[in-house]
Amino acid sequence: QVQLVESGGGVVQPGGSLRLSCAASGFTFSNYGMHWVRQAPGKGLEWVTFIWYGGNNKYYADSVRGRFTISRDNSKNTLYLQMNSLREEDTAVYYCAKSDSGGPGYFDYWGQGILVTVSS
Amino acid sequence: EIVLTQSPGTLSLSPGERATLSCRASQSVSSGYLAWYQQKPGQPPRLLIYGASSRATGIPDRFSGSGSGTDFTLTISRLEPEDFAVYYCQKYGDSPPLTFGGGTKVEIK
Repeated sequence: QVQLVESGGGVVQPGGSLRLSCAASGFTFSNYGMHWVRQAPGKGLEWVTFIWYGGNNKYYADSVRGRFTISRDNSKNTLYLQMNSLREEDTAVYYCAKSDSGGPGYFDYWGQGILVTVSS
Repeated sequence: EIVLTQSPGTLSLSPGERATLSCRASQSVSSGYLAWYQQKPGQPPRLLIYGASSRATGIPDRFSGSGSGTDFTLTISRLEPEDFAVYYCQKYGDSPPLTFGGGTKVEIK
């Protein structure tokens, strides 16, 4: 069965950096695009970024472009999110989600999420 | 950027009643690339509907999606106790960003 397990969250000061990981299993990771989605406390869902199956093309929300970088290691079945210049408004639960295809499709499987808190 | 507006914000209904949730897009959603998700407190979202009207694997047939262009609807024919949750629509496909609507909370009346 498909499993997505996020790690690397925690508390960081404004301006700091954090790297999230998402370990994937139960499917051929290298065939599918992957997303990061976040949810601020008590708020709705916000799509953050997407990476194509091969890792060559990436898309970002305006709110994180230039600060966040998505990447993947298909040999390790792992997705990453490098978050730099963090702001208090980046505080959220971050979910990795599998696309239904190699491109930016709908999200057919989700991880349980990992909390990132940006606070001084 | 396509903006998705969901209405109502909250729907108060009793078990057994019919729920009709709306998702309106600011521009036409190409190829019906519209999905619906259910989220319960403390849980990740779960895919219900993709392609505007196709049920995801394991989703009961009381859930149905319809619509095209700019107007989409999620219908729950007879609410079960486990259906009380927040529902989000989402646009996907080759034209990022992949936006979500603001959500509709279906609560017990």
